[in-house]
Amino acid sequence: AQTVTQSQPEMSVQEAETVTLSCTYDTSENNYYLFWYKQPPSRQMILVIRQEAYKQQNATENRFSVNFQKAAKSFSLKISDSQLGDTAMYFCAPHTDKLIFGTGTRLQVFP
Amino acid sequence: DGGITQSPKYLFRKEGQNVTLSCEQNLNHDAMYWYRQDPGQGLRLIYYSQIVNDFQKGDIAEGYSVSREKKESFPLTVTSAQKNPTAFYLCASRPQGDPEKLFFGSGTQLSVL
Repeated sequence: AQTVTQSQPEMSVQEAETVTLSCTYDTSENNYYLFWYKQPPSRQMILVIRQEAYKQQNATENRFSVNFQKAAKSFSLKISDSQLGDTAMYFCAPHTDKLIFGTGTRLQVFP
Repeated sequence: DGGITQSPKYLFRKEGQNVTLSCEQNLNHDAMYWYRQDPGQGLRLIYYSQIVNDFQKGDIAEGYSVSREKKESFPLTVTSAQKNPTAFYLCASRPQGDPEKLFFGSGTQLSVL
């Protein structure tokens, strides 16, 4: 069965600092995608960044980057230069034939 | 504009009542999904459908039912067998074989009276 673990229920970071959110998963698939989604208080799901499992190069999207370690089945999200608008729940989501979400990490960015 | 529409935004259920949540998409997507989110929790997969007239159970299908008679529509019925239905329900869709293009609806908050 496919599982996802986000071991940090809550994290906080000061504005302009860097924070890393962890995610581990388990799947028997070899080709798949991995996503990080952001859910602000509006509860709208917003795609932050995506990674294709067959690509060794870590994905980067502006201030957001990932550390993808396929053998270890680890997919962490790094947010650089944190902004107040980054305050939200963040979900890790591996995608094979279905999209499964982790339990989320609540990130609070304070001034 | 293309997108996913969930309705209603808020829904109330009485004891022993079945209620149906609507999810409509005009994106011509093959796959559609229903998720449940409890307060402060992640999304849990209820049902998903890869193609018309076919659907599979997710992790928490008990007390729910779905149908996929049309490509555009994937309604979710919360039956009286679901004893704790209060939650936020999200619908999503994507083209078959293209997991990057996943779209989410804006959700339905279901509460029990």
